[in-house]
Amino acid sequence: DIQMTQSPSSLSASVGDRVTITCRASQSINSYLNWYQQRPGKAPNLLISAASSLQGGVPSRFSGSGSGTDYTLTISSLQPEDFAIYYCQQGYSIPWTFGQGTKVEIK
Amino acid sequence: EVQLVESGGGLVQPGGSLRLSCAASGFIFSNYWMHWARQAPGKGLVWVSRSDSDGGIIDYADSVKGRFTISRDNAKNTLYLQMNSLRAEDTATYYCVKAGRNTLDVWGQGTTVTVSS
Repeated sequence: DIQMTQSPSSLSASVGDRVTITCRASQSINSYLNWYQQRPGKAPNLLISAASSLQGGVPSRFSGSGSGTDYTLTISSLQPEDFAIYYCQQGYSIPWTFGQGTKVEIK
Repeated sequence: EVQLVESGGGLVQPGGSLRLSCAASGFIFSNYWMHWARQAPGKGLVWVSRSDSDGGIIDYADSVKGRFTISRDNAKNTLYLQMNSLRAEDTATYYCVKAGRNTLDVWGQGTTVTVSS
């Protein structure tokens, strides 16, 4: 199975801050890397697919990059509604696996 | 609007069985792969199983293989997860998910399964 490791596990930031979350796969996943946002008590929501493709309706302050084994989710200017848990997920091989999540909290 | 509505969760004793259902609407269900994922209380997301558009290709996580069965009824636009020999570690919110291209596109609201005596 491909292991996905996110860092950090949590972070505290202020509204307006630039936030970066990284995700590392245990082997190359050929950009089959997706990012999800999960707000408290809600189902996950797909933000970015294929490492960098922003889903419809997702604000442009979210962006993704990376290739091979290393990927990044960036929020350019953190907004109050962005405080949530973010998960990366590889769609390269079964079983699909997730990172452990990064909790973005208010400073 | 794509909608996925899970049902069938509840409290069950260890060793018991439960069948989850997922009613899909707002898209052509028979054209899409569908997945189940789960999330234990306070924990992260875990992929459970997937089915291709007609149930011919099916995969499971090792943790549920031999105990869970995914199926679908395209005439009823419904996805199922039959869960047998349930264990305490199966306690989780179970999500039905519509697949995109190597993604988990749209998630239902989830149904909660608690395995406890």
